[in-house]
Amino acid sequence: QEHLVESGGGLVQPGGSLRLSCAASEFTFSDYYMSWIRQAPGKGLEWVSYMSPTGSVINYADSVRGRFTISRDSAKNSLYLQMDSLRAEDTAVYYCARGFEGSRGWYGWFALDYWGQGTLVTVSS
Amino acid sequence: SSELTQDPAVSVALGQTVRITCQGDSLRINYASWYQQKPRQAPVFVIYGKNNRPSGVPDRFSGSSSGNTASLTITGTQAEDEADYYCSSRDSTGNHLLFGGGTKLTVL
Repeated sequence: QEHLVESGGGLVQPGGSLRLSCAASEFTFSDYYMSWIRQAPGKGLEWVSYMSPTGSVINYADSVRGRFTISRDSAKNSLYLQMDSLRAEDTAVYYCARGFEGSRGWYGWFALDYWGQGTLVTVSS
Repeated sequence: SSELTQDPAVSVALGQTVRITCQGDSLRINYASWYQQKPRQAPVFVIYGKNNRPSGVPDRFSGSSSGNTASLTITGTQAEDEADYYCSSRDSTGNHLLFGGGTKLTVL
């Protein structure tokens, strides 16, 4: 059974940095997109970033571009999110998820089929 | 537009059929994916593509799409289906991933 486990969350002051990790197991990590999604307390899901299997495609939400950096290490089956210049509004549970894409005729899709349990990041003084 | 719009809340009687909708310009060229999230749990993937269910998802869940609207239909709703449901798709540029604001489903 595919498995994702996040770690690295915690309490950090505004302006500080934090590095999240996501350990993947029971699937071929290098074959899949990987993504970070967050959920502020009591709020909905917000996509943060994703990276293609080879790392050739990386995209970020406007809210984090220039402050967050996604990376992956296929030798360690791990995904990372370096978060710098953190703000109070970055407070959320951060999930990593495995992604895949497809198309049929004119239509395409991108889906996240396995999710970790999340790690809480709190930005507060 | 770079948004997906969902009704905040929907209710359904036990055993009845409910449709949860998601609107956005990106859905004219992208199928939505749908996720179920129960309190204090991670989201679970329930529908993708034109109408594909991952293994383990009950066949009472189905998806459809028309124009700028995607729908998740639950036929014969069960008590355990009470949850928040989120739609998602790439945006029209294909570079970003969008999530709808979520629909809280209450089973009466």
